[in-house]
Amino acid sequence: DQQVKQNSPSLSVQEGRISILNCDYTNSMFDYFLWYKKYPAEGPTFLISISSIKDKNEDGRFTVFLNKSAKHLSLHIVPSQPGDSAVYFCAAMSGSNYKLTFGKGTLLTVNP
Amino acid sequence: ETGVTQSPTHLIKTRGQQVTLRCSSQSGHNTVSWYQQALGQGPQFIFQYYREEENGRGNFPPRFSGLQFPNYSSELNVNALELDDSALYLCASSLGGASGSRETQYFGPGTRLLVL
Repeated sequence: DQQVKQNSPSLSVQEGRISILNCDYTNSMFDYFLWYKKYPAEGPTFLISISSIKDKNEDGRFTVFLNKSAKHLSLHIVPSQPGDSAVYFCAAMSGSNYKLTFGKGTLLTVNP
Repeated sequence: ETGVTQSPTHLIKTRGQQVTLRCSSQSGHNTVSWYQQALGQGPQFIFQYYREEENGRGNFPPRFSGLQFPNYSSELNVNALELDDSALYLCASSLGGASGSRETQYFGPGTRLLVL
């Protein structure tokens, strides 16, 4: 039973446009959410996080939005760059439990 | 500052064998978590070690075991290897505590294990 779902296996975007990656979760105990980026042959790299007490967090070109009532979060990348091409994982935590629960990932391709 | 390192990078074993994977945590980090990433899946939590004690465990059988050393480096041991154990094994370190905190987990490059 997948508690964190990324329903789009892949997304293709033109350079300079906005990339929107989506994530849904089912466990209402999750209260902290993270996005990681993964290049081939490398480990996941932390991008941005958001606590359930917020609905938006911004860091440069990356913004994460959280809709708790819909149990949905999204990552916006503006403007998208070819170097952003990677697999993006959504992950969630609950309470003081350090366990990260990951989605299956979305492969983002940014075309020049 | 040194990041998280893992060894070996690749490994081939046969069914029934045992394997030990190693992880050196980022400088200053006292917590290590291990994840298994099967092909086409997201990483799945195996267990976490904080100050040499297991601090949480995912849905993995007892043949998956671990250790953390006084310098906070860690080992993942898998006994009686099965074909389904073929995966990328990721180690992540953080500065945490048993009481809970939201410190970010930083991942190493992983060890790719193939079981034949």
